[in-house]
Amino acid sequence: EIVLTQSPGTLSLSPGEGGTLSCRASQTVSSNYLAWYQQKPGQAPRLLIYGASTRADGVPVRFSGSVSGADFTLSIGRLEPEDFAVYYCQQYGSSPWTFGQGTKVDIK
Amino acid sequence: QPQLQGSGPGLVKPSETLSLTCTVSGASIGGASYHWGWIRQPPGKGLEWIATISRTGRSDYNPSLRSRVTVSVDTSNNQFSLRLDSVTAADTAVYYCAGLIVGAAKYWGRGTLVTVSS
Repeated sequence: EIVLTQSPGTLSLSPGEGGTLSCRASQTVSSNYLAWYQQKPGQAPRLLIYGASTRADGVPVRFSGSVSGADFTLSIGRLEPEDFAVYYCQQYGSSPWTFGQGTKVDIK
Repeated sequence: QPQLQGSGPGLVKPSETLSLTCTVSGASIGGASYHWGWIRQPPGKGLEWIATISRTGRSDYNPSLRSRVTVSVDTSNNQFSLRLDSVTAADTAVYYCAGLIVGAAKYWGRGTLVTVSS
């Protein structure tokens, strides 16, 4: 089973700042099948990025994903008020599919 | 694009069976190019993948739940279902049904809170 470790646990930022979230995989993720989700309280998660770097439909361009080996990154440029949420990574390259534990982005 | 609506009881007794159904609208479950899945989230915790099923009925399960889980597709009613046997308090969670592109969950139901309690 691939373990995904997200860091930091909490990222405190001000609106307008940029931020970087990390997701490290314990093994190679096949075909870079890595997704990022945003979840707000009381809501279902929303798909932001799939295939490590492809934005899902309707996702603002300030969200971008990248990969270097087993290290995946979600970058958020110039945070908007609606971006404060919990972010999860998920790998779907190997069964069982697994999620990271989440990074909370809160207001500084 | 697909819309998903999960349904089922919100309270299940320990040792009994949890059964949930997800009704898909806006796409044919048998003809769409999606897979269908179940993901859960215990209160205040992270996400856990439960199982996936293709439109042809091919399924894949989380090994940690495999012995207790069954997923199925009902193309005539455009639904797919989850069955989890022998539940305990540890199975208390919000259960989401999802439409998957490869393995990324692009479409989500609202989630059904299932509490296991006597």
